[in-house]
Amino acid sequence: GESVGLHLPTLSVQEGDNSIINCAYSNSASDYFIWYKQESGKGPQFIIDIRSNMDKRQGQRVTVLLNKTVKHLSLQIAATQPGDSAVYFCAEKTGGGNKLTFGTGTQLKVEL
Amino acid sequence: EPEVTQTPSHQVTQMGQEVILRCVPISNHLYFYWYRQILGQKVEFLVSFYNNEISEKSEIFDDQFSVERPDGSNFTLKIRSTKLEDSAMYFCASRDPRGEETQYFGPGTRLLVL
Repeated sequence: GESVGLHLPTLSVQEGDNSIINCAYSNSASDYFIWYKQESGKGPQFIIDIRSNMDKRQGQRVTVLLNKTVKHLSLQIAATQPGDSAVYFCAEKTGGGNKLTFGTGTQLKVEL
Repeated sequence: EPEVTQTPSHQVTQMGQEVILRCVPISNHLYFYWYRQILGQKVEFLVSFYNNEISEKSEIFDDQFSVERPDGSNFTLKIRSTKLEDSAMYFCASRDPRGEETQYFGPGTRLLVL
């Protein structure tokens, strides 16, 4: 049968603007969250992570915000650059388990 | 910077054949994982491995799949009798358990079953 891929939501931003990528997670018991960047044909590349006992964490040009009340995670990229163009995945880890459960992904396109 | 490596980068096989995908995790890491990503879809967990045994596996990881750490550096995924639906990117990941949760992924092996 025909395989149908997921239609990725797309965020288009101008170079130099800030980007905000959102993610809704499913399990209120999840205690760890992580953002990955995936360029075409490559593996997921770690960007930033956050534990559930925090609501904000900053890295270089990136910030992750966690809202446990509404089970929402966001990734903010400051001064977006063409090299930031990729698919961004959030993932969650629940309790003592090992596995990461990935979200659908968002395609970020940076326009010059 | 240490990184996870995987070989081969691409593998084409006939349905019913066995394949072995190889990974070299980051050297001081002790947790190892396999994930897969069917074209255009989410990354899906297959299995985690720690202390020479499987610690968790998904429904996808049936009897056709096995993992092994044959020596101190390699971590392998074997698919005993490949099916068309096994065609996907397979990613290995590793984690240092000393207070860190971050899983670092390799570049993947693209498996095509014909």
